[in-house]
Amino acid sequence: GNSVTQMEGPVTLSEEAFLTINCTYTATGYPSLFWYVQYPGEGLQLLLKATKADDKGSNKGFEATYRKETTSFHLEKGSVQVSDSAVYFCALLISGGYNKLIFGAGTRLAVHP
Amino acid sequence: GAVVSQHPSWVICKSGTSVKIECRSLDFQATTMFWYRQFPKQSLMLMATSNEGSKATYEQGVEKDKFLINHASLTLSTLTVTSAHPEDSSFYICSATKGQPDQPQHFGDGTRLSIL
Repeated sequence: GNSVTQMEGPVTLSEEAFLTINCTYTATGYPSLFWYVQYPGEGLQLLLKATKADDKGSNKGFEATYRKETTSFHLEKGSVQVSDSAVYFCALLISGGYNKLIFGAGTRLAVHP
Repeated sequence: GAVVSQHPSWVICKSGTSVKIECRSLDFQATTMFWYRQFPKQSLMLMATSNEGSKATYEQGVEKDKFLINHASLTLSTLTVTSAHPEDSSFYICSATKGQPDQPQHFGDGTRLSIL
């Protein structure tokens, strides 16, 4: 079946530290991959995406590369800020059908000054 | 562009009442809308997929008669929680997509439902 596995949180970092949040997936076919961010009390915002192998998605200093050989889409940022504190969801979308997204469990990031 | 508005953002009501949540796409036509439920500190659970002008497709384990979904136009979908009870308290989030393959979903800000 199709599934997404994320590293468990919370992840606690000091400001300007390097961030990695691991995400691996299992899928039939060739999914598109996404990272969404959820700030407290809000819905989800699309952070970045990649639609095929070796694509790199990037936005606001965050990056993730679609690695087909390791079925991974790890999220990275070189220098985190307090404002990056949120919950991050990795998700995959199976082509065809009704664009159903399959989410990982989410990883909470807390950045301290 | 691609703004989704959800209303209300927070609702508190008595057990036994019905509650309607609206999801609107403000600047695009949403062929497909999705309704999710999120428990505290957990991921999003897809409840149902609705396409404009047709019946919603519910995920396994979601009661159709409990969670009524209507997608009457290309910009509006509603979720009605009928005869709500405390166990229905949760964060409900909608999303909308233009429907073409691989189009991203755009999410509303969610509705926090508290049943007393």
